[in-house]
Amino acid sequence: AQSVTQLDSHVSVSEGTPVLLRCNYSSSYSPSLFWYVQHPNKGLQLLLKYTSAATLVKGINGFEAEFKKSETSFHLTKPSAHMSDAAEYFCVVSGGGNNDMRFGAGTRLTVKP
Amino acid sequence: DTGVSQDPRHKITKRGQNVTFRCDPISEHNRLYWYRQTLGQGPEFLTYFQNEAQLEKSRLLSDRFSAERPKGSFSTLEIQRTEQGDSAMYLCASSLGYETEAFFGQGTRLTVV
Repeated sequence: AQSVTQLDSHVSVSEGTPVLLRCNYSSSYSPSLFWYVQHPNKGLQLLLKYTSAATLVKGINGFEAEFKKSETSFHLTKPSAHMSDAAEYFCVVSGGGNNDMRFGAGTRLTVKP
Repeated sequence: DTGVSQDPRHKITKRGQNVTFRCDPISEHNRLYWYRQTLGQGPEFLTYFQNEAQLEKSRLLSDRFSAERPKGSFSTLEIQRTEQGDSAMYLCASSLGYETEAFFGQGTRLTVV
């Protein structure tokens, strides 16, 4: 079985300040990990993915995430938040074998002007 | 390639009625997933297919739910004897494999009255 835990249900930052959204995973296999973003009334969009290559992964819109096996973490960061980053963010784990793809509960990011 | 298509986009049904949703994945994607999402929650895994084989079904899914993917192409999700608690957004996604990005459809919003 595999799962993800998003440690914060809500994160609030000021525009121009760094963003940190935390995710821990559990998987019996070497996992693939993803971050998806969902803007209000919009579909899910991939931000970035880790699939056993470089541990520091760069995604769209200036986001990046670092895979740390020893800590079973895959935290999402951005150096400077923009108002348009306000959305719901989901950490997702996908394992090998017959494992499916599991979502975390989500972190709502609020960006204050 | 027109992306993942779901039909209908919206469905209102009376309690006790049966409903069926359709998902057309991206062609050549062998994995197809169904999720349910309620307001303020992350997508909850329902079931997934590898080609035509249904490899896993959530234990949260009651016997009223059934899914098929004949010939490994489109998929249908049927809910029998709908209940008000079934009201949610039903999301379909497809991917080439567990290491690759899953593409999501716009979802089918079900309202049970």
